[in-house]
Amino acid sequence: AQTVTQSQPEMSVQEAETVTLSCTYDTSESDYYLFWYKQPPSRQMILVIRQEAYKQQNATENRFSVNFQKAAKSFSLKISDSQLGDAAMYFCAYSKWPGNQFYFGTGTSLTVIP
Amino acid sequence: DVKVTQSSRYLVKRTGEKVFLECVQDMDHENMFWYRQDPGLGLRLIYFSYDVKMKEKGDIPEGYSVSREKKERFSLILESASTNQTSMYLCASKGREGNQPQHFGDGTRLSIL
Repeated sequence: AQTVTQSQPEMSVQEAETVTLSCTYDTSESDYYLFWYKQPPSRQMILVIRQEAYKQQNATENRFSVNFQKAAKSFSLKISDSQLGDAAMYFCAYSKWPGNQFYFGTGTSLTVIP
Repeated sequence: DVKVTQSSRYLVKRTGEKVFLECVQDMDHENMFWYRQDPGLGLRLIYFSYDVKMKEKGDIPEGYSVSREKKERFSLILESASTNQTSMYLCASKGREGNQPQHFGDGTRLSIL
């Protein structure tokens, strides 16, 4: 079975600073997809960023970027210029082709300090 | 924007009751999912459906069943609710393509007394 590990239950960052959230996964597949989701307190889970395993280039979305290391099975999320609104639970997720089953990590709770 | 609507935000039921959680999506997505979210355990898949009347067990199906009679609606059923089913339940939908993300509802916080 696929597993996704987020080894940091809690992280904190100073406003305007940069923080990196870690995620590793276990798979024997070559074709798969990786996602980072954000769940603000009492609010809906939303997609932050996604990466297809066949793409070597790391995905970026504004202040959010990933460091995808396929050989190491690592998929970390970097948040630059952290803002108060970034405070949330962040979940890493893995999905293998054809993409109708997802496996989630246990989450990292991010606190942003003003 | 994709809209996934869960029928209740908060629900309180009694042990032994039959409980229905409803989920509706408006994007004609083939795939729909039910998760349970507990602190420290992340999201655990209960059931998913890849088409009308089709269902697949996830990691924790025991004590639950599902129904998908129409493409837009996916129901989670607790046949005889127990206190250990007190949790946050999340519904999600997703299109056919592999790289498409899941879209989530607001969640239902279910308490079984």
